[in-house]
Amino acid sequence: DAGVTQSPTHLIKTRGQQVTLRCSPKSGHDTVSWYQQALGQGPQFIFQYYEEEERQRGNFPDRFSGHQFPNYSSELNVNALLLGDSALYLCASSLARGVVQYFGPGTRLTVT
Amino acid sequence: EDKVVQSPLSLVVHEGDTVTLNCSYEVTNFRSLLWYKQEKKAPTFLFMLTSSGIEKKSGRLSSILDKKELSSILNITATQTGDSAIYLCAVEITSGGSNYKLTFGKGTLLTVNP
Repeated sequence: DAGVTQSPTHLIKTRGQQVTLRCSPKSGHDTVSWYQQALGQGPQFIFQYYEEEERQRGNFPDRFSGHQFPNYSSELNVNALLLGDSALYLCASSLARGVVQYFGPGTRLTVT
Repeated sequence: EDKVVQSPLSLVVHEGDTVTLNCSYEVTNFRSLLWYKQEKKAPTFLFMLTSSGIEKKSGRLSSILDKKELSSILNITATQTGDSAIYLCAVEITSGGSNYKLTFGKGTLLTVNP
């Protein structure tokens, strides 16, 4: 049973550029949540997708956007990258009516 | 503003010691509290607690929720070097219906020395 997968593993971008991160949920899961984890901090909720729509959003600017596809996979897009966007981006999947979220290995984004 | 606070932020123990990690929260619309272990990247699920006073146990790990005190503890007995990790506490907050999100604490970095 494949768990949550994310790509790429690492990414280096320059300030002002745009980036797209990808996530495939655990088999059978239909809800995807994205988190940003800065060094030494706990994960911070960015947004959650269910049925291809953004269901909830945390305190992140509009530069952060996402998408969910019919097969439940998801993308996180970040525009106009800032140095402060450097972090580990975690994707978690769950069932719509479930509670426990299962996390992927994350994408380490470095903005220079 | 919803807040989850973990203590201590870091802890160094010797193999065989017992440790207690703390998590307190101030949130609206609490639904459950979860503990995760993060070794390198992906946090892995340990426990979910919804009812006060009921201990969840898995091997050497156990956890309990105190809704009156708005807190939870995670106990690890007979620690091993493989227990070295960041332990994250997360509170599930619901905004109605099936809408929910996790708010995490900063984590406790546990180092177990041989």
